[in-house]
Amino acid sequence: QQQVKQSPQSLIVQKGGIPIINCAYENTAFDYFPWYQQFPGKGPALLIAIRPDVSEKKEGRFTISFNKSAKQFSLHIMDSQPGDSATYFCAAKGDKLIFGTGTRLQVFP
Amino acid sequence: ETGVTQSPTHLIKTRGQQVTLRCSSQSGHNTVSWYQQALGQGPQFIFQYYREEENGRGNFPPRFSGLQFPNYSSELNVNALELDDSALYLCASSLGGPIHNEQFFGPGTRLTVL
Repeated sequence: QQQVKQSPQSLIVQKGGIPIINCAYENTAFDYFPWYQQFPGKGPALLIAIRPDVSEKKEGRFTISFNKSAKQFSLHIMDSQPGDSATYFCAAKGDKLIFGTGTRLQVFP
Repeated sequence: ETGVTQSPTHLIKTRGQQVTLRCSSQSGHNTVSWYQQALGQGPQFIFQYYREEENGRGNFPPRFSGLQFPNYSSELNVNALELDDSALYLCASSLGGPIHNEQFFGPGTRLTVL
């Protein structure tokens, strides 16, 4: 019940494409859902986060869609760039932060 | 304002040894959390410290222990190292106690156990 399931494991898109990463959870006590971006050799960096009382949040080219009834949320990256190539983690927080298994995104020129 | 810093960057130890990893939290942040990230996996929560007290622990054995100091910096100690302890150890700081959600991560310490 503490798991956060993330898919796909890897994703390849061309520049300008819109990669979508999906996550699902079981624990209804989770009340904060962040997305992190991690480059090789670096720690995760917070990208954007949402609370369950909101269905969508946009920050720049990054959008979170949240479906509370389905217990699913997703990250969309608009107009993706080669510099967006990284590993993306969804997470959910109740009394602690639980991470998904990660999605390795490659954006080709 | 300085971000979260960790030391050392890399460390190589042998089975059975003990290791201490260090973390300096972002300026003004009084809560520190530690995570273990195995290769190709998401970070796993080890424990959290708030005002020098352990405040929440993940599914890790007692040989993983920690400290938080009055300046909010923190240490992670691991005794009796095992091969499976090889991982990236991440420290994250946040402001205002456990109910505040935004955590800012350091670059991590890469621990290799031979």
